[in-house]
Amino acid sequence: KQEVTQIPAALSVPEGENLVLNCSFTDSAIYNLQWFRQDPGKGLTSLLLIQSSQREQTSGRLNASLDKSSGRSTLYIAASQPGDSATYLCAVSRGAQKLVFGQGTRLTINP
Amino acid sequence: DTEVTQTPKHLVMGMTNKKSLKCEQHMGHRAMYWYKQKAKKPPELMFVYSYEKLSINESVPSRFSPECPNSSLLNLHLHALQPEDSALYLCASSQGPVNEKLFFGSGTQLSVL
Repeated sequence: KQEVTQIPAALSVPEGENLVLNCSFTDSAIYNLQWFRQDPGKGLTSLLLIQSSQREQTSGRLNASLDKSSGRSTLYIAASQPGDSATYLCAVSRGAQKLVFGQGTRLTINP
Repeated sequence: DTEVTQTPKHLVMGMTNKKSLKCEQHMGHRAMYWYKQKAKKPPELMFVYSYEKLSINESVPSRFSPECPNSSLLNLHLHALQPEDSALYLCASSQGPVNEKLFFGSGTQLSVL
């Protein structure tokens, strides 16, 4: 059974810092991995999708990496801003349209 | 248009009520999903429709009844719910049925009294 773990559960950093969020999964047989952002009481916004054949994806200040063999992914956020405060979830696809989500990391950027 | 629109945003219902949640997308996506999310937990998959046919039911109780009238519209009919069914209900869509980026709506916050 695929399990996805995100560490830390919560993170608070000063504005302007670069930071890394971690995601690990137990079964390396994945189709892709997605990083989402969720604001309180809102839906999820897909930030980056990495296919199993890819090593990383970049969008603006965000960079996500994928190491299937070690079962790990990281989301790097450069020059953090207060507007980046949200819960970040990673999810792995085990095919057949099913995503397995991690518990999320609640990120707070302090002005 | 890259939005998934869900209505209503908030819903309060009694255990004997019948209500429906609505989800709409106009991106030409052929897969649509219902997720349930409890507070401070990740979303849990409930149903998946591919090409307007139900392809996945994650053993959801029959008091939840999904419907996909056409490729742009997804409904979730609710009847005789329990207080523990109170949650944020999220709709999502994707271009195709496999391994595609998901687009989520803002959700319906449901409270069952």
